[in-house]
Amino acid sequence: EVQLVESGGGLVQPGGSLRLSCAASGFTFKEYYMSWVRQAPGKGLEWVGNIEKDGSDQHYGDSVRGRFTISRDNAKSSLHLQMNSLRVEDTAVYYCARGNWGWNCDHWGQGILVTVSS
Amino acid sequence: DVRVTQSPAFLSASVGDRVTITCRTSQSISSFFAWYQQKPGRAPKLLIYAASTLLSGVPSRFSGSGSGTEFTLTITNLQPDDFATYYCQQLNSYPSTFGQGTRLEMK
Repeated sequence: EVQLVESGGGLVQPGGSLRLSCAASGFTFKEYYMSWVRQAPGKGLEWVGNIEKDGSDQHYGDSVRGRFTISRDNAKSSLHLQMNSLRVEDTAVYYCARGNWGWNCDHWGQGILVTVSS
Repeated sequence: DVRVTQSPAFLSASVGDRVTITCRTSQSISSFFAWYQQKPGRAPKLLIYAASTLLSGVPSRFSGSGSGTEFTLTITNLQPDDFATYYCQQLNSYPSTFGQGTRLEMK
C-alpha cells in the first residue's frame, strides 16, 4: 500500500524557516516524480513544485520560487521541502504527492499544517 | 504561465442528476490535464488524468473530455458520495496550475 507521511510542520514567525519531510513507503520511490501542493485555510489547491525522479531538476510555483527548495533522498525514500523567508501568506496545509503518468498526483499524504504568524 | 479558469464556483444538484464542470486554459495544452475530488478535511483524490483517462477504481459515472483549451468533467447519476469540491490541473508546462475549484452541494 502506498503511504506518504508528512512531518515537520508547526508555527513559525514571518521571515523564519521550516523544513518539511515526507516519508514514502509501499512503492519504489526513485521511479516517481514527487510534488508538493498546498492549501491555505478555506482556499483552493496551489502547486508548490516538484522534483524529478533522480533529483536532478526541480520546478517551482511563482509564489515560492527562490524561497523554497525541494530535495529528495532516494536511498531513504524521503522528500523534503526547505522553506525560507516565510510569509504570513505561506500559511497552509502542505501535501506531498506522488507523480504518475507524468506529474499527475495519484497518491497524497494526509497533509501537515504550517502556520506563519508573529 | 498557463492560467486555468474553472466554472462554476458552486453547483447545487440532486442525487441522480447529471452535472458538468468546465475548465479553460489561457493557452493550448494538448491533453495534459487532470481532475481531482476533495472532501472536507481530506487530501485530494485523483479521478482523471490525460484529460479523459479514468483512474482505476473510479466509478464510470465520472468522465472527462476536452483538449486544447477547454476541458470538462461530467458526473452522471450523482450519488451522495459525489458531493465534494472538484479541481482541475494543467500539467502541460511549468509551473503547473490548478483551477479555483467547484463546490458541488446537495440541493
